[in-house]
Amino acid sequence: GQQLNQSPQSMFIQEGEDVSMNCTSSSIFNTWLWYKQDPGEGPVLLIALYKAGELTSNGRLTAQFGITRKDSFLNISASIPSDVGIYFCAGQLDFGNEKLTFGTGTRLTIIP
Amino acid sequence: NAGVTQTPKFRILKIGQSMTLQCTQDMNHNYMYWYRQDPGMGLKLIYYSVGAGITDKGEVPNGYNVSRSTTEDFPLRLELAAPSQTSVYFCASRSPGGSSYEQYFGPGTRLTVT
Repeated sequence: GQQLNQSPQSMFIQEGEDVSMNCTSSSIFNTWLWYKQDPGEGPVLLIALYKAGELTSNGRLTAQFGITRKDSFLNISASIPSDVGIYFCAGQLDFGNEKLTFGTGTRLTIIP
Repeated sequence: NAGVTQTPKFRILKIGQSMTLQCTQDMNHNYMYWYRQDPGMGLKLIYYSVGAGITDKGEVPNGYNVSRSTTEDFPLRLELAAPSQTSVYFCASRSPGGSSYEQYFGPGTRLTVT
């Protein structure tokens, strides 16, 4: 089935550094979503993007809906310890389609 | 307001056994979903429901059944457990209006089939 390619798979950074990750697809998506999953918990929605080229921020997080509609990017500025977790992108092919396609995740670790 | 609750948190099944994973939400959400998450992978949709009495297959429905007799509950049934069903199962719900793609996830059920 459909799968989104997320990179990098994992990141090891120091506190205070900026983080960038991306998600690519061979298909065009109408909606891009970014989730964070803490250990032992379900994913929590961080940012939703609905239009090609859209740039949306949520605190230190900024996400962009790629112009081609086949990719999306997430940046985290000035990372802090609570940013540790797995970040997933998800895309929706059609408006009104309940099926989200999830990426494989980027695991973020902050080195003390 | 507990959000989405799932029981049990952990379960070990023998091959061929059956079980029901419970999911309840108290947000009066019409839409509910079941996902599975295999190690190192993203979530895959098993089944979803847009309201009481209405269910539909997702990407990986084989080996599972669901029912939706009330707005609050959306149980997932495994009839003949197989090792390939070892996974973490997440239930989610959302409201059809407002931020309609904001799915609220439960904490998950970790299932091992041996």
